[in-house]
Amino acid sequence: GAVVSQHPSRVICKSGTSVKIECRSLDFQATTMFWYRQFPKQSLMLMATSNEGSKATYEQGVEKDKFLINHASLTLSTLTVTSAHPEDSSFYICSARSWEGEKLFFGSGTQLSVL
Amino acid sequence: QQQVKQSPQSLIVQKGGISIINCAYENTAFDYFPWYQQFPGKGPALLIAIRPDVSEKKEGRFTISFNKSAKQFSLHIMDSQPGDSATYFCAASSNAGKSTFGDGTTLTVKP
Repeated sequence: GAVVSQHPSRVICKSGTSVKIECRSLDFQATTMFWYRQFPKQSLMLMATSNEGSKATYEQGVEKDKFLINHASLTLSTLTVTSAHPEDSSFYICSARSWEGEKLFFGSGTQLSVL
Repeated sequence: QQQVKQSPQSLIVQKGGISIINCAYENTAFDYFPWYQQFPGKGPALLIAIRPDVSEKKEGRFTISFNKSAKQFSLHIMDSQPGDSATYFCAASSNAGKSTFGDGTTLTVKP
């Protein structure tokens, strides 16, 4: 099956710093990538949808200046959490969809801890 | 408004038993219904998926049953194994758009 690589898997940072998370589709071209946030024992909360070469579409209540998303190529999307604070601590997951169909392939997630 | 309702929240099954997880949806425009398996600290992985033009799909020990008129679909795990212990999410989407996820079911298979 298709592989989506997400890095880093875990990051600890100080409050006020910015953190970048990368999501790469390794063996297919991802026309659309999604970013989610997941709290313990809860479902995935969609943060934004990104299409290659265009601006991301953010879900209601998600601060676009806080969570910067870039989808510069068909195989790479990045999420930057700017000026991170402890309340941003969470598990962040990306997923990618190819042009061929509806199947979603997920990254392995990034556990962000802001001290 | 939650568009996909999943139950039960948690499930405990003996090894070799059948695990059944149910989902109900509201939006009749949904045309793709996948199930995902997630282990702690990992991202979800696609398990099996179905379209509304069929009532059942089987892949190994995993079966999806789909009832279009009732707007319900379920995941059946036959001969459940301890390695199946994970969180399972149902989802629904339309026209290859964004997916709506259920709240998840934590399955524990006891040896």
